[in-house]
Amino acid sequence: DVVLTQTPPTLSATIGQSVSISCRSSQSLLHSNGNTYLHWLLQRPGQSPQLLIYLVSRLESGVPNRFSGSGSGTDFTLKISGVEAEDLGVYYCVQGTHAPPTFGGGTKLELK
Amino acid sequence: EVQLVESGGVLVQPGRSMKLSCAASGFTFSSFPMAWVRQAPTKGLEWVATISTSGGSTYYRDSVKGRFTISRDNAKSTLYLQMDSLRSEDTATYYCTTAIHDYWGQGVMVTVSS
Repeated sequence: DVVLTQTPPTLSATIGQSVSISCRSSQSLLHSNGNTYLHWLLQRPGQSPQLLIYLVSRLESGVPNRFSGSGSGTDFTLKISGVEAEDLGVYYCVQGTHAPPTFGGGTKLELK
Repeated sequence: EVQLVESGGVLVQPGRSMKLSCAASGFTFSSFPMAWVRQAPTKGLEWVATISTSGGSTYYRDSVKGRFTISRDNAKSTLYLQMDSLRSEDTATYYCTTAIHDYWGQGVMVTVSS
C-alpha cells in the first residue's frame, strides 16, 4: 500500500500567519491517465472531514482561496495564506491513484 | 443541499453482526462511486470499502475482507455496510462518503465490546 507521510504532525500558528503542510508519498501518485489523485481534507474538532483541495491544486467549491495546493510525483504541499480561527483542526492528505486509497497520518493545526 | 445520513451504529459484542445504512439526498446518488471510511477513537482516517456506481464492483481493505459487505440501492439512494464477525479493532466512527471524498456523512459510532 502507498504510505503518505505528513509533516509536521502538529503545527502551532497565530492568526494571520501563513503555514505549510507537507505530504510525501512512498510512490509516485501520477496516474497513467495523466491525473494525480492527491487531495486534502480538513477535519474540524467534532466534525466530519471536508474536502479542501482535489487533484493536487484544485480548490473545492466554497473553500476560501487562502488555501492552495501544489506538488507533483511524490511531494505535495498544502499552504494556508493567513490562518483564520476556523482553520483549526486536523488536515489529512489522501491518495486515490493506487488501490487501496490511503490517508496521511494527519497534521493538527492549533493556535499558538 | 447534499446530505449523507448514516444510521445503525450501536454497541455490539465481538463476533456479532451489524448493518450500517447511509441515506443520500441532494445529488444524483447513482452517478457516484461510494465508500466507507472509519476513524478509531483518537486516530486518523482509514478507508474500509468502495463500491462502483452500479454496485457491480466492490473493494475492501484486507482486514475486513470476508467479514464486511458494501452494497447500495440506487432506487432508494442508500448505501449499506454489512459487518459480520466483528472484532474489537473494528471499533470506530464510520463515515459514508463519495469515493472522491467531496461529500461526507456525520458519522456513526460502532463499539465492539463484551
